[in-house]
Amino acid sequence: GIQVEQSPPDLILQEGANSTLRCNFSDSVNNLQWFHQNPWGQLINLFYIPSGTKQNGRLSATTVATERYSLLYISSSQTTDSGVYFCAVGADYKLSFGAGTTVTVRA
Amino acid sequence: GAVVSQHPSRVICKSGTSVKIECRSLDFQATTMFWYRQFPKKSLMLMATSNEGSKATYEQGVEKDKFLINHASLTLSTLTVTSAHPEDSSFYICSASRNYDVSGYTFGSGTRLTVV
Repeated sequence: GIQVEQSPPDLILQEGANSTLRCNFSDSVNNLQWFHQNPWGQLINLFYIPSGTKQNGRLSATTVATERYSLLYISSSQTTDSGVYFCAVGADYKLSFGAGTTVTVRA
Repeated sequence: GAVVSQHPSRVICKSGTSVKIECRSLDFQATTMFWYRQFPKKSLMLMATSNEGSKATYEQGVEKDKFLINHASLTLSTLTVTSAHPEDSSFYICSASRNYDVSGYTFGSGTRLTVV
């Protein structure tokens, strides 16, 4: 199956800081999504981004499909951004999840 | 829109008993539902994919007889953990898609199963 590697595994930020999370994948995909899992376990879909760049408020994402990586940018981080960020990829409807980046934003 | 309700949120059961977890799409018809298992501080592992009215497709290594999945309608899928044992303790999450749309999956809030 497709291998998904996320880095860094853990990230501690001061409120207001910016950060970049990376997702590398081992094969061509036509489906790539970023999710945020809050401390209670709820997963929220942030971006569907198999290629290109998207922005939603303080979050943006870029996927360079030809080089098999995607980046998630968090700007002006807030404590509510804390949680685990997952990158998930797939060649069809099934998604393979990376191990996640645990983000802790301190006030 | 696109809300998926998962119940129960937490369940504790005795070893050897069965537990049923429900996943409902509240405001859309879910043509496909997925069941995941997540170990503490770990990634999500896809267990099976279910399409309404047909048998679930299980991922390699997932025991079909232990994890029974039923997708009887376009709004309901159930996962039954049969003869549960402590090693089945985990966080189980469902997700649903409408019209085979791969661009956006909606996830349930998860079920924390503890087998004692």
